[in-house]
Amino acid sequence: TQLLEQSPQFLSIQEGENLTVYCNSSSVFSSLQWYRQEPGEGPVLLVTVVTGGEVKKLKRLTFQFGDARKDSSLHITAAQPGDTGLYLCAGVTGGSYIPTFGRGTSLIVHP
Amino acid sequence: DAGITQSPRHKVTETGTPVTLRCHQTENHRYMYWYRQDPGHGLRLIHYSYGVKDTDKGEVSDGYSVSRSKTEDFLLTLESATSSQTSVYFCAISATGGNSPLHFGNGTRLTVT
Repeated sequence: TQLLEQSPQFLSIQEGENLTVYCNSSSVFSSLQWYRQEPGEGPVLLVTVVTGGEVKKLKRLTFQFGDARKDSSLHITAAQPGDTGLYLCAGVTGGSYIPTFGRGTSLIVHP
Repeated sequence: DAGITQSPRHKVTETGTPVTLRCHQTENHRYMYWYRQDPGHGLRLIHYSYGVKDTDKGEVSDGYSVSRSKTEDFLLTLESATSSQTSVYFCAISATGGNSPLHFGNGTRLTVT
């Protein structure tokens, strides 16, 4: 079983649309990270959230950590073709040194 | 960008041959990780290291071994490659583990024929 469930798995939208990606678990995390990966490259960190209920904004991207620290969401406003990529969430449970990844959401934004 | 280099970037090998992938970092980070990425599975941890000569298994460690004789280098060895090990392999580093961010290399695409 997957510790972190990401949804949707695939998303194909038009430029200017809004979207939300979800990352859910039955486990409590001490932190949750979001990464973005482009073809042929390694994932790059977007944000780390550590406090239940925390909201962080990165330009058009809004990240939220659930109050119980079991889930997170990534919302993109007015998506652009440059947002195309694989979005990965990774959670760290208490006392662990090891982030566990979800399976990712593949986003394509069409011009 | 964090100084992390993987080599080779691409490799094709035959079933049954040994293969070693190298990860080199210039950040002096304590933690180093090897992940494999396959369609539908995301990133899965193979092995990780929390210091020189200190390593431990991840969720998909069967068929793989690692070594870390220096802070900067983390080697992943496939003792006898199988077709199921065809994948893209990523090395990552982290300063303190846990909540600290991972910095990834650009991956090694390995094909076992």
